[in-house]
Amino acid sequence: NAGVTQTPKFRILKIGQSMTLQCTQDMNHNYMYWYRQDPGMGLKLIYYSVGAGITDKGEVPNGYNVSRSTTEDFPLRLELAAPSQTSVYFCASSYTRGTSGDTDTQYFGPGTRLTVL
Amino acid sequence: AQKITQTQPGMFVQEKEAVTLDCTYDTSDPSYGLFWYKQPSSGEMIFLIYQGSYDQQNATEGRYSLNFQKARKSANLVISASQLGDSAMYFCAMREGGGYNQGGKLIFGQGTELSVKP
Repeated sequence: NAGVTQTPKFRILKIGQSMTLQCTQDMNHNYMYWYRQDPGMGLKLIYYSVGAGITDKGEVPNGYNVSRSTTEDFPLRLELAAPSQTSVYFCASSYTRGTSGDTDTQYFGPGTRLTVL
Repeated sequence: AQKITQTQPGMFVQEKEAVTLDCTYDTSDPSYGLFWYKQPSSGEMIFLIYQGSYDQQNATEGRYSLNFQKARKSANLVISASQLGDSAMYFCAMREGGGYNQGGKLIFGQGTELSVKP
């Protein structure tokens, strides 16, 4: 099992450019998440998905879009990049049966370090 | 409103000694989960330990234990016999609820940077 993989590892964008951060998990997890981590801070949720075809906003969704066409993949799209989007982006996944007692432990990818200049 | 607070920006501990990292939380949901993650300088997020709000006993995982005091809304991480490799940033996180379609969303604290001295 590779777990959660993310590409690219690093990227520099110019203001106004767009890009897609890729995330794939091979654990058959139903839930997937995107977080961002600004310097010296904890992680903040951008978007999440409870299954293929279902996505919802997290705490900081502005400037981002997501889709979930398969269980395995959960790409994050940045449109019109801004310096405020300079951050480290983490994808995570978890499995839940929806019953009480599920831990819903999230397993994280290695992160993508994005700089917008 | 749900909130996680880690009041120790940085901590030092001598190798082989035990250390406690503080975490307090605030939630009105009776069902929640508390997690600790380790983030070494390489940047990845490593899951350490989980405590459910209905768990009767404190969680333990090897050298990690969670001192869960529900009435005080605290979930401190205890690392016993510290090793040099324990030097990292440690994050406390909380998930409210847990039923289907609630998403299992995590709220993170700001982290505590632990430095282990030889």
